[in-house]
Amino acid sequence: DGGITQSPKYLFRKEGQNVTLSCEQNLNHDAMYWYRQDPGQGLRLIYYSQIVNDFQKGDIAEGYSVSREKKESFPLTVTSAQKNPTAFYLCASLRTVSGNTIYFGEGSWLTVV
Amino acid sequence: GEDVEQSLFLSVREGDSSVINCTYTDSSSTYLYWYKQEPGAGLQLLTYIFSNMDMKQDQRLTVLLNKKDKHLSLRIADTQTGDSAIYFCAESIMGTGGGNKLTFGTGTQLKVEL
Repeated sequence: DGGITQSPKYLFRKEGQNVTLSCEQNLNHDAMYWYRQDPGQGLRLIYYSQIVNDFQKGDIAEGYSVSREKKESFPLTVTSAQKNPTAFYLCASLRTVSGNTIYFGEGSWLTVV
Repeated sequence: GEDVEQSLFLSVREGDSSVINCTYTDSSSTYLYWYKQEPGAGLQLLTYIFSNMDMKQDQRLTVLLNKKDKHLSLRIADTQTGDSAIYFCAESIMGTGGGNKLTFGTGTQLKVEL
């Protein structure tokens, strides 16, 4: 089945550690996105990538890093510099045929303990 | 800059119509979207509208776009308990570094009561 797969679904991190969230898509979409959602709040854009080996900062990029070595993959690293990393992280990809439509993965819950 | 705003809560009775409103600030939006999020899940695309359209209807869903007032609404006819969720509007604009940047509103929690 085509879609966007995020892993892990749940992740616990100790303070001071870096963690990497995986996002893979087999939809052949060029653009991919990472959003953060805090309880009772909307989505805030962390990073996005339009093509392989290129990405732009979103509205809250500090403390995060990404890479885009393959079209299918857009991993997000939450670094120790991120002061408040506990949140729900959503990955998405964009279809530009017949309108710009963004599709989301099921999300990853990150908790700092 | 871009900013998308929504009211936080809406409560309706089953069978009534729901209208969820959204305002945005960036007049260069190309597409506007409505997404649905159920607890603990990702976002599901409900419908979208191109910025040169005024209205789009898709079964129980009607989207109205007032570009002059930068106002977008989603009407759900015959609202059911399964429609209870958070609804997000979003706009697509060209990012400063190129490419499509999507900005989301804060979400409207729709509660459907029997």
